[in-house]
Amino acid sequence: NAGVIQTPRHKVTGKGQEATLWCEPISGHSAVFWYRQTIVQGLEFLTYFRNQAPIDDSGMPKERFSAQMPNQSHSTLKIQSTQPQDSAVYLCASSFRTGSRDTQYFGPGTRLLVL
Amino acid sequence: QQQVRQSPQSLTVWEGETAILNCSYEDSTFNYFPWYQQFPGEGPALLISIRSVSDKKEDGRFTIFFNKREKKLSLHITDSQPGDSATYFCAASADNTGKLTFGDGTVLTVKP
Repeated sequence: NAGVIQTPRHKVTGKGQEATLWCEPISGHSAVFWYRQTIVQGLEFLTYFRNQAPIDDSGMPKERFSAQMPNQSHSTLKIQSTQPQDSAVYLCASSFRTGSRDTQYFGPGTRLLVL
Repeated sequence: QQQVRQSPQSLTVWEGETAILNCSYEDSTFNYFPWYQQFPGEGPALLISIRSVSDKKEDGRFTIFFNKREKKLSLHITDSQPGDSATYFCAASADNTGKLTFGDGTVLTVKP
């Protein structure tokens, strides 16, 4: 089992460009979570899917950010018109559910730098 | 208001000593508390977790002590090793919400 796979590991974009980040969850896991990590804000929840359905996007910036999970094997996070403040490590986690609890396993992250 | 707080921000111990990392929370609906270990350039790795129905969880050198009344918990790392040097995050979630709320982390350095 390769764990959660995130691609690319590093991405540099110019201000105003689009960035698409990919996540492949652990096979058999039912949920995918996206988080953002910065020095200033720490680890912040963005959004998550369960059985491919969007469940909670309360952490997503209302503009420019969107996430999808078109099939059980991958999820994408898209940032339109990137801004320097979007620079962060974007972490994807997948989980299996035990009762009412999710045990989340994180990928290595995608380090996004917006110049 | 920060929902999950960790202290200290950084901690240095000698090899073989016990490191104690503290965490407190505000939301009384939180009932699941995982601790994650993160090395530079890597994603957080699940280390150990506890549910609020328990007051202690042990896994090898790692032990969580939980005080529901005071909304506090701590991670004890006994016989600390230089390889334990990392950032440790306390997180919390409530039933059926899925998402984790993280503290700001404690940077642990273990000197040989």
